[in-house]
Amino acid sequence: DAKTTQPPSMDCAEGRAANLPCNHSTISGNEYVYWYRQIHSQGPQYIIHGLKNNETNEMASLIITEDRKSSTLILPHATLRDTAVYYCIVSTSEKLVFGKGTKLTVNP
Amino acid sequence: DAGITQSPRHKVTETGTPVTLRCHQTENHRYMYWYRQDPGHGLRLIHYSYGVKDTDKGEVSDGYSVSRSKTEDFLLTLESATSSQTSVYFCAIRKTRDSQETQYFGPGTRLLVL
Repeated sequence: DAKTTQPPSMDCAEGRAANLPCNHSTISGNEYVYWYRQIHSQGPQYIIHGLKNNETNEMASLIITEDRKSSTLILPHATLRDTAVYYCIVSTSEKLVFGKGTKLTVNP
Repeated sequence: DAGITQSPRHKVTETGTPVTLRCHQTENHRYMYWYRQDPGHGLRLIHYSYGVKDTDKGEVSDGYSVSRSKTEDFLLTLESATSSQTSVYFCAIRKTRDSQETQYFGPGTRLLVL
């Protein structure tokens, strides 16, 4: 079973920040938090990952709480093309266990 | 772009026939994975490989076998396809990004077993 809890769906207005939460209260010390997304019919796309510190790349920012029991993926300026299912995964990278993710819909 | 291709991209077959799906990578990565995805489920790991001739089972390996005779190719075989194996199959490789190994996925193969 996936070790994360995510809301099943969220909506966001185009141009606004999308903040996707994830709970992972049983995360182990050596497990990373990964975020992937899957746009309809395509393969999952890697977004970002982190261990303890907040991370930012060209796609998104990842905020991890100090106790590491939850995290938030931030898409700073959502576009219609960001509509997808977003998966939060905790893993040591050898095996990824995907849950059902959050269906993010970006509205015009 | 992780240099992964899958073939075929679409296949329709009949129950009881053998089917082989191919995953090809161009970057010489050691780890390769096969997942399946079905409505209402996330991706589920079928088998993975950690080197030539080195493979291991995932959570849904029954009815599937794999082979890796060279680094660039990882084959998934359904010895006798069943309707329950109708699914979308994704291959992935593992590569290093920001000092951490991360999986990258291929475009998928849609398989319909009639």
